[in-house]
Amino acid sequence: EVQILDSGGGLVQPGGSLRLSCTASGFTFSSCAMSWVRQAPGKGLQWVSSISGSGVTTHYADSVKGRFTISRDNSKNTLYLQMNSLRAEDTAVYYCAKELYSTGSSALDYWGQGTLVTVSS
Amino acid sequence: DIQMTQSPSSLSASVGDRVTITCRASQGIANSLAWFRQKPGKAPKSLIYAAFSLQSGVPSKFSGSGSGMDFTLTISSLQPEDFATYYCQQYHTYPYTFGQGTKLEIK
Repeated sequence: EVQILDSGGGLVQPGGSLRLSCTASGFTFSSCAMSWVRQAPGKGLQWVSSISGSGVTTHYADSVKGRFTISRDNSKNTLYLQMNSLRAEDTAVYYCAKELYSTGSSALDYWGQGTLVTVSS
Repeated sequence: DIQMTQSPSSLSASVGDRVTITCRASQGIANSLAWFRQKPGKAPKSLIYAAFSLQSGVPSKFSGSGSGMDFTLTISSLQPEDFATYYCQQYHTYPYTFGQGTKLEIK
């Protein structure tokens, strides 16, 4: 059974940093690209970043490029999102999601439960 | 960026009804289109990928169709758990983009 567990959210001041983690099981982690998707309170879904199964290729939304870094440790079946220079508009529930394939763009098939990031002074 | 537009934004229906939600892409995306259902306070659940392929474990009352720019999600025999918000998403080109959502409510 595929299981994805997101963690690391919390309250942080504007300009601060936070690292989200996502631990996965039930599938061959290195064979699947992974993504982060966020949802601001009362709003729709917004894709944030994706990383290939090997970790070599990454993609970012323009709104987070240069501030957020996606990475993975395939030996630990864990995905990360390092978030720096946080802004109020980054406040959202962040979801980790598994993709169907290792490389290229593919469908999101399993999602974590989400972790809430609140950026406020 | 590819814009995804869903219609309607909200929809009222009764248990047992059949409903259809449409999604239009601002440019052609072949069949790189997925549908998700999200209940309040919960993570999205994947229903369909590649425009019409059911995710594992998803009942056949959900069906998808379309290619290019225009897509539909049809849900037959609505049950109480189906009243939620539905999103389409293109994964043809980065950045991935989602529709604004369609809220399905009980009439």
